[in-house]
Amino acid sequence: GAGVSQSPSNKVTEKGKDVELRCDPISGHTALYWYRQSLGQGLEFLIYFQGNSAPDKSGLPSDRFSAERTGGSVSTLTIQRTQQEDSAVYLCASSLDSPGRSPLHFGNGTRLTVT
Amino acid sequence: EDKVVQSPLSLVVHEGDTVTLNCSYEVTNFRSLLWYKQEKKAPTFLFMLTSSGIEKKSGRLSSILDKKELFSILNITATQTGDSAVYLCAVLSSNTGKLIFGQGTTLQVKP
Repeated sequence: GAGVSQSPSNKVTEKGKDVELRCDPISGHTALYWYRQSLGQGLEFLIYFQGNSAPDKSGLPSDRFSAERTGGSVSTLTIQRTQQEDSAVYLCASSLDSPGRSPLHFGNGTRLTVT
Repeated sequence: EDKVVQSPLSLVVHEGDTVTLNCSYEVTNFRSLLWYKQEKKAPTFLFMLTSSGIEKKSGRLSSILDKKELFSILNITATQTGDSAVYLCAVLSSNTGKLIFGQGTTLQVKP
């Protein structure tokens, strides 16, 4: 597809379960970000991948959160032992080059609800 | 700590009004500032600003950056109901490579 694709678009899970969120960036984009957006809030940075460099994980809120990017393309954000405060929209974005040279393109997000 | 602050947090205007949205920042090694519009789902890109004093314009929207005073403004003239959205400002630090977003300004344009 032409844009950033995220799946699933909605996920409802029970507290304590693990979830995996997937992001397919635009083909050829080297930079990939994950953000979290709670209701009525701005975007909270989670993690940043740039090419083959080690990812910047400084925004991950706890060790229950992890992300990987296989083959420099698809990325998966995993949340283990979900808590109710993890409920939010998780947005993925990619850019052709390092940010500052080209803008980020966002996916439609995954709305996670932890019951 | 890098910080981006937007104001106002929300704004209600009538069609035809002109609005100015503000974004101030504190980041180490500023690289660029970006504006996004978020309606229902994915934020969509509006402008990228890297140099002071150079206005970027797209239709009724325009934006300018002041790197000395560390802020940017986004202007929307002759507002329409379709301009109703959350407007997000983000700043990139070349040190970290990560893009830091402000809280957003929620704009509502009434008919």
